[in-house]
Parts: sequence; structure tokens; C-alpha cells
Amino acid sequence: AQTVTQSQPEMSVQEAETVTLSCTYDTSENNYYLFWYKQPPSRQMILVIRQEAYKQQNATENRFSVNFQKAAKSFSLKISDSQLGDTAMYFCAFTTDAGNMLTFGGGTRLMVKP
Amino acid sequence: EAEVAQSPRYKITEKSQAVAFWCDPISGHATLYWYRQILGQGPELLVQFQDESVVDDSQLPKDRFSAERLKGVDSTLKIQPAELGDSAMYLCASSSNRVASYEQYFGPGTRLTVT
Repeated sequence: AQTVTQSQPEMSVQEAETVTLSCTYDTSENNYYLFWYKQPPSRQMILVIRQEAYKQQNATENRFSVNFQKAAKSFSLKISDSQLGDTAMYFCAFTTDAGNMLTFGGGTRLMVKP
Repeated sequence: EAEVAQSPRYKITEKSQAVAFWCDPISGHATLYWYRQILGQGPELLVQFQDESVVDDSQLPKDRFSAERLKGVDSTLKIQPAELGDSAMYLCASSSNRVASYEQYFGPGTRLTVT
């Protein structure tokens, strides 16, 4: 069974600064997919960024980037130039194939302070 | 932009009553998921449909929960009887298998409070 662990229940960052959210996972699979989802207060969950395990290059999406360490089974999210709108719960998630269920971590609540 | 629709957004019910949630996935999405999210935790899969067929319901408490997707489009999740421990957010998500897409699109959820 796959497990996903987010060790930081809450984090805060000043507006315009950089913050890194941690995620570790456990699997015996060699090919899989990792995601970071954002869940703003009272709003629906949206995909922030995805990473295919077979790709060595770390994914980037504008201010969001990941540090994927396959051997260490680590998948951290870096948010640069933090904005007030980044305040949300962030969930790390894992799946082994397209169309399969997502296994989520427990989430990190991020507060961006003005 | 197409979205996953869910209703109701909020539901308060008394213990032992029946409750039902509805989900309409993005048009053309063959795969539909129901997740339960307890406050302060990550979502956990309850049931997954491929078209009208159940693919995975191993975590669905079948003595009280049921789910259907009769025409392979919208879906209903039912709880009967509701228990206090069922208080949670119920999320519906859908994904397309026409391309190798791994993204699941989530609806706004139904927040259930059982009193």
C-alpha cells in the first residue's frame, strides 16, 4: 500500500518570500505520479503541479516548483514570491497510473501574511 | 470552463436519518470518484466508477453507504442511517481517460454535519 506523509501541519510565510512544503511517500512501484493540490478556504481543490516519476527534471509552473528526490522518496513544493492568494491547505498526492485513485497526505495549512 | 457540480453544498441531518449527495462530473469524463475528507485530514477514496461500473469500493462502508452512476454520467452517494462519525466533507472528482491524463478535477464538496 502507498502512504503519503506531510510532516508540517501548519506553516506561515511573509508575502513575497519563499516557502517550501515537505512531502514524503512510500511505495514499491517504480513508475508513479506525484501531485500537489491546493484547497483554498471554502473553495474547491485544484491541481498546482504534477511530476512523473520517470522524469528526472523537476516540474515547474510559474512560481511553483518541486524538488523530486526519487531515491529518498521525497517531493517538496517551493512557492516563490508568495502571494496572499496562496493561503490554503496544500495536499501532496500520489497515484500509480492514470485513472487510479489518489492517495493524499494529511495536508499543510499555509498562511501568507501581509 | 467546465466544472464538477455537487449538491447540496451543506447538509445537516440527525443521526439515523438518510442523506444523499449528488455529483455531475465534467462532460465526457468517464471516471468518477467519491472521496471523504474529515476536517483537518486529506481526502480518502470511498468509491470509483468507470462509466457506470464500480472499479473500487473497498473503502466504502457498505452496511450504510451506497453509490450509483446508472447512466454513466451523474452519480449519487447515499448514507442510511447516518452516524455522528459520518460528519465530513464529501468530495466528488472526475477524470478523462481519452488521453493519458492524470489530473482529477474536484467539485466544491458537500459538507455533512450529523447531529
